[in-house]
Amino acid sequence: AQSVTQLGSHVSVSEGALVLLRCNYSSSVPPYLFWYVQYPNQGLQLLLKYTSAATLVKGINGFEAEFKKSETSFHLTKPSAHMSDAAEYFCAVSDRNNNDMRFGAGTRLTVKP
Amino acid sequence: DSGVTQTPKHLITATGQRVTLRCSPRSGDLSVYWYQQSLDQGLQFLIQYYNGEERAKGNILERFSAQQFPDLHSELNLSSLELGDSALYFCASSASVAGYNEQFFGPGTRLTVL
Repeated sequence: AQSVTQLGSHVSVSEGALVLLRCNYSSSVPPYLFWYVQYPNQGLQLLLKYTSAATLVKGINGFEAEFKKSETSFHLTKPSAHMSDAAEYFCAVSDRNNNDMRFGAGTRLTVKP
Repeated sequence: DSGVTQTPKHLITATGQRVTLRCSPRSGDLSVYWYQQSLDQGLQFLIQYYNGEERAKGNILERFSAQQFPDLHSELNLSSLELGDSALYFCASSASVAGYNEQFFGPGTRLTVL
């Protein structure tokens, strides 16, 4: 069964610093991978997705992620954190034949002024 | 606004009761998903419907059931409620079941069981 593991339930960075949120996947076949963001009291919103085209995927709000098959990773990065980036971030994986996604446990990002 | 609507926004009920959560997918989306989000369990996939038929099942309890109607809206029924069922319940929809399709999430229904 496919799954993702997010390393670090909490990440704290200073405003302007690099954001790195880690996600490793487990899949027997090349998966589709997603990053979602959840702001307080809201539903999840797609940041970006990997669908086996380019391995470096650019998303909204300046975020990007790189698919590395050799490391089974899909880490999310942003060069410079903004206060508005404070939220919970979820990595998810879906099967090629059905997109019933499996989500990671989430990483709460705090941005310090 | 994702285009997915969920009602009610909040629901407070007592143990042993039964509730129904409603979801209207984005216009044109055929697939509907239900998720439960709690502090201890995280975001758990419950069940998926596609064009009225059950497509996939996750960690859904036997006390819970769902269905998708001909107009594509979906309902999640929770019965014999327990304190541990208190959680945020999200509905999501997607255009089809292809793995590359993103899911669009509704704002959620917060269920509190007292």
